[in-house]
Amino acid sequence: DAGVIQSPRHEVTEMGQEVTLRCKPISGHDYLFWYRQTMMRGLELLIYFNNNVPIDDSGMPEDRFSAKMPNASFSTLKIQPSEPRDSAVYFCASSPTTSGNTIYFGEGSWLTVV
Amino acid sequence: KQEVTQIPAALSVPEGENLVLNCSFTDSAIYNLQWFRQDPGKGLTSLLLIQSSQREQTSGRLNASLDKSSGRSTLYIAASQPGDSATYLCALRGAGGTSYGKLTFGQGTILTVHP
Repeated sequence: DAGVIQSPRHEVTEMGQEVTLRCKPISGHDYLFWYRQTMMRGLELLIYFNNNVPIDDSGMPEDRFSAKMPNASFSTLKIQPSEPRDSAVYFCASSPTTSGNTIYFGEGSWLTVV
Repeated sequence: KQEVTQIPAALSVPEGENLVLNCSFTDSAIYNLQWFRQDPGKGLTSLLLIQSSQREQTSGRLNASLDKSSGRSTLYIAASQPGDSATYLCALRGAGGTSYGKLTFGQGTILTVHP
């Protein structure tokens, strides 16, 4: 399997623009997670899905952030409008219910908002 | 709310040393604990996963232990090598309800192994 695939790997955008990050989980995994990593706060869980349904979005910082999972093989995290403080690495991860629930991370999307 | 602390924040050792990384947590109601490695500019790679009913797991030169009653886990690295240099993170998966899927991370230990 190719692993968790994220795009874009790097994005630089201007404040106020819409940003869409994409994720393809590992086939057969029924959990999908979005994390944000910054130097100040480390790794924070933003939202996670189980069988395409959002289970907990309490980590989503504010209404500017939204996430969707229209099917088992695709998810998006959208920021609109973007702000400089959103600059971070955004990781997508997936996990099966079985096999010990090991969680697998993508390579991350490095976002810079200027 | 689960809080995870890793000590030390950074560690620098000469090649060949055995070393221990520590992880402590406040809520013992966990499903499992996972140790990850993160190289600069990369994602996280899972090293070891310990279920809540287990005491330890081993993989090659790595051994991870779990003591739920004391809220502690350790990652032991034997005969360290320069290639082990990375950030090591522990993460706990919640046990029930909406906590089930949540993986709460520590801040990590930055390990440098010099030749």
